Amino acid sequence: AQSVTQLGSHVSVSEGALVLLRCNYSSSVPPYLFWYVQYPNQGLQLLLKYTSAATLVKGINGFEAEFKKSETSFHLTKPSAHMSDAAEYFCAVSGSGTYKYIFGTGTRLKVLA
Amino acid sequence: DAGVIQSPRHEVTEMGQEVTLRCKPISGHDYLFWYRQTMMRGLELLIYFNNNVPIDDSGMPEDRFSAKMPNASFSTLKIQPSEPRDSAVYFCASRPRGQGHTEAFFGQGTRLTVV
Repeated sequence: AQSVTQLGSHVSVSEGALVLLRCNYSSSVPPYLFWYVQYPNQGLQLLLKYTSAATLVKGINGFEAEFKKSETSFHLTKPSAHMSDAAEYFCAVSGSGTYKYIFGTGTRLKVLA
Repeated sequence: DAGVIQSPRHEVTEMGQEVTLRCKPISGHDYLFWYRQTMMRGLELLIYFNNNVPIDDSGMPEDRFSAKMPNASFSTLKIQPSEPRDSAVYFCASRPRGQGHTEAFFGQGTRLTVV
């Protein structure tokens, strides 16, 4: 069985500050991990994905995430928040042999001026 | 490609009425997913198809919900009869083949309100 846990349903940061959104996963098979972003009234858009190549993954809009097997984590970071980063972020897990995504409950990011 | 296309974008219906949501996946994608998003339950996978065949419908909440994929370019999610608790945003997503590492592409969603 697979699952993801996102700690913190709401996160607020000041513009220019570090963004850290947490995701922990559980998987009985080697996982593939994804971060998606959802802007208001829109669908989900892929930010980045981990597919067992490099543990540090760079995505769009300056985001990156690091896969840490020992911690079963895949936290999303961005060095400097921008107002346009305000959105909801979802972590998801899939696995070899399965084509389903299991999504976390999401973290809503607010960026303060 | 125009991406995953869902229609309608918004649907308001009265309790007891039949509702049909539509999805056109990206051409060439083998997998199609239907998700429901609510504040209380987040994103829930309802059902997914592989090459037009339903593979896992364990997320379909009850018999009032049904989904079909008559061909590779079209899928429907039907609710009959609809209830106020079905109010949610319904997303369709498609994904190419390739084990578990390929990403899914989402449509813009259909916001359903049942009054």
